[in-house]
Amino acid sequence: EAQVTQNPRYLITVTGKKLTVTCSQNMNHEYMSWYRQDPGLGLRQIYYSMNVEVTDKGDVPEGYKVSRKEKRNFPLILESPSPNQTSLYFCASSLGREGFTGELFFGEGSRLTVL
Amino acid sequence: AQSVTQPDIHITVSEGASLELRCNYSYGATPYLFWYVQSPGQGLQLLLKYFSGDTLVQGIKGFEAEFKRSQSSFNLRKPSVHWSDAAEYFCAVVPTGTGNQFYFGTGTSLTVIP
Repeated sequence: EAQVTQNPRYLITVTGKKLTVTCSQNMNHEYMSWYRQDPGLGLRQIYYSMNVEVTDKGDVPEGYKVSRKEKRNFPLILESPSPNQTSLYFCASSLGREGFTGELFFGEGSRLTVL
Repeated sequence: AQSVTQPDIHITVSEGASLELRCNYSYGATPYLFWYVQSPGQGLQLLLKYFSGDTLVQGIKGFEAEFKRSQSSFNLRKPSVHWSDAAEYFCAVVPTGTGNQFYFGTGTSLTVIP
């Protein structure tokens, strides 16, 4: 089954404790991205990756890091989480520019609370 | 400034009634246009998209949307709403020349009453 898998789905952590949210897709997609969803603000892009070893900042990259060492994986790293990073996070993937169809495939989301 | 605007934060309709959700964008050239739906506790799913051509596009679940260049709008419609349509709806654009760069509106929450 084609899917985007995020882990963990729920996490409560404390300020400053490094954490990683993993994202994996099994569709051989070139493009992957991370969004955060906050009430009244919709989805805002954090980082995206057009292909392996190619990453770029989205609209709200501060406080986050990403890496793309393999095509299927795109982890989101919070080196020193702060309460303003409490949010619902979504990973998404799609075909690259050559096969662009406009369909983003989303994971089920990771709800993060930073105390 | 470039933006995607969904002016209605929340809409309530009766089951069987018609629905229209509004979306306006402000980008230089006509971008690629999309509507996504988010059911409670789920990720987003593509409803329909417009790249070019016929300005009335059909999507899944009986939804359609009309692109109006003069109004920079891409409104979503459904003739008869079902209770299962209750969800959050997001308009999104991909500006031409940016590849996969999606920009989402703030969403419209739909409640369906019996």
